[in-house]
This record gives sequence, structure tokens and C-alpha cells, in this order.
Amino acid sequence: GDSVTQMEGPVTLSEEAFLTINCTYTATGYPSLFWYVQYPGEGLQLLLKATKADDKGSNKGFEATYRKETTSFHLEKGSVQVSDSAVYFCAAKSNTGNQFYFGTGTSLTVIP
Amino acid sequence: EAGVAQSPRYKIIEKRQSVAFWCNPISGHATLYWYQQILGQGPKLLIQFQNNGVVDDSQLPKDRFSAERLKGVDSTLKIQPAKLEDSAVYLCASRVPGQVNYLAFGSGTRLTVV
Repeated sequence: GDSVTQMEGPVTLSEEAFLTINCTYTATGYPSLFWYVQYPGEGLQLLLKATKADDKGSNKGFEATYRKETTSFHLEKGSVQVSDSAVYFCAAKSNTGNQFYFGTGTSLTVIP
Repeated sequence: EAGVAQSPRYKIIEKRQSVAFWCNPISGHATLYWYQQILGQGPKLLIQFQNNGVVDDSQLPKDRFSAERLKGVDSTLKIQPAKLEDSAVYLCASRVPGQVNYLAFGSGTRLTVV
């Protein structure tokens, strides 16, 4: 079945450091791919999305590129801020239905 | 546009008691999901509704969990009787239709079973 695997955390970075959180997926066909962010005590919020190979999703300085050849959708940000501290979830949606699959989440802490 | 509303935000109960959670999705959204998120893990689908019909409840522990969406709008999730391992955040989401479907989540209900 479809699934998503993302790098385990926690990740601790200094402010202005470069961030990469790895995500790979297993799916038939071309799933839609997403990154969600969860701040403490809140629900998940959509951060960015991509629907086909080589699409780049971007939002709030975060980027992720849909790589069909490596079945990956790694999240990157060039300069993190303290306010980026949160848990990040990679997710995929099959193109044959409305099932969404989530990774286990990666906790990010940015220190001043 | 109003988001997905959930209540209560927090609930503490003793094991073997019953509890119910409520969700009101974004207006007009036909597909509604309940997820269970155990601390340190990703959301796990419990049940998916399309209007008032169940699409997928394969991972719902039906001996103790039940859910309904009678009028195709708001939904309730019930646990009876609760076990210690049910301690988790219960998230409700509705699917935002469009060229790229995605999920909009509520803030969740944090359940602690003692």
C-alpha cells in the first residue's frame, strides 16, 4: 500500500541555519505530495503541496520539489527562524482515491 | 471562511468511561476524516465519511469506537469504554476540493485516559 517515510528527529538548529527534512514515498502512479506543520497545541496546517513530477511547492520560505525518479519530496529552508520551531509532517494522497498517508513527523527546534 | 471546529479541546476521563468528540467541518465540504494522533507519531486514519456515508472505517476499533455523521455536516466520534492506550489527540479534517485536494484540520481534542 501507499506510505510515507520521513527522517526522524528531533532536529535542533541555530537561527539562520539551513534546514533539510527528508521524505520519501511509496505509491502507485502519481500521488499528490504535501508538507504540513503542527505548532504546539494546534492542528496540522498545510505548508505546501505539489501534484506532479518536478513541481516545486513553496510557502513562507520553505520549498520542496517532487522527484519522481527518487520518489522524494524533501523539505528545505535556507534560513530558519525561531518561529519555525514545530513538527513537520510529510503526506501523500493517492491519485485513485481520497486517502491521505502521513509520515511520523519531524520535530524542529530553532535556537537563537 | 471559518475553519474546522472541534470540541472539547481537552478531556480527562478514567478508563472504562465513555467520551464523545464533536466536529463541524468547513461549510460545504463533503468528505470528513477522523484521525488519531498518539504522542510522537503521525496521524492515523480512524474513519472517513463522504456526506453521511462511511467510505473507510477499516482501522476503527469497532468494539469500542463509533462515529456518525447523520446529516452529512457535523460528526461525532465516541469511545466506550475507554482504555489507557486511547490517550491521544483526535483530529478532525475536511477535504478541500479543487485541482489539488488537501486536508484542512481542526485544532484537535486531547484525550487523557487515567
